[in-house]
Amino acid sequence: AQSVTQLDSQVPVFEEAPVELRCNYSSSVSVYLFWYVQYPNQGLQLLLKYLSGSTLVKGINGFEAEFNKSQTSFHLRKPSVHISDTAEYFCAVKTGANNLFFGTGTRLTVIP
Amino acid sequence: KAGVTQTPRYLIKTRGQQVTLSCSPISGHRSVSWYQQTPGQGLQFLFEYFSETQRNKGNFPGRFSGRQFSNSRSEMNVSTLELGDSALYLCASSFSSLTSGGYEQYFGPGTRLTVT
Repeated sequence: AQSVTQLDSQVPVFEEAPVELRCNYSSSVSVYLFWYVQYPNQGLQLLLKYLSGSTLVKGINGFEAEFNKSQTSFHLRKPSVHISDTAEYFCAVKTGANNLFFGTGTRLTVIP
Repeated sequence: KAGVTQTPRYLIKTRGQQVTLSCSPISGHRSVSWYQQTPGQGLQFLFEYFSETQRNKGNFPGRFSGRQFSNSRSEMNVSTLELGDSALYLCASSFSSLTSGGYEQYFGPGTRLTVT
């Protein structure tokens, strides 16, 4: 069975500061990893994905994430956040079946 | 390309009633998945349809059902509504082909269901 842990439910950070949102997963098989963002009253938007290959993946809006197989982690980072990055961020994993297992989410609040 | 559309966006129902939600996937996408999002349980997978067949199912009671039409549009139905069914229901579509990177799922804006 798969599971996803997002260690921080809320992360406040000042504008233009760097941020890291943590994600750890558990799976007995190979996984595909995703980060999604959800703005208020909206659906989920894909930020980035790891399917295979380079462990450092770059996504939209300046976000990047690094896949670490030994630590079963897929942390999301941004070197300088903007007010518009305030949203909820979800880490998700998928194995062979086409359904996503989500973490509980991290609410990022950017403080002016 | 137009994104995933869901109708209606908001719905209020009474306990015991039934409800049908609709999802139109991105053109060319043949897989449609449904998820329930609640503050207590987070995002949970309901089921996936591909080419009009249910391919995968989550751990929800039989009151939750779905179907997919030949044009890939999908509906989900919840019968005998309970207060706990109040949630944001999200639909996601994908091409469902690994070689084309189709493992990405694209989400609609959701239908907010309130059961009173």
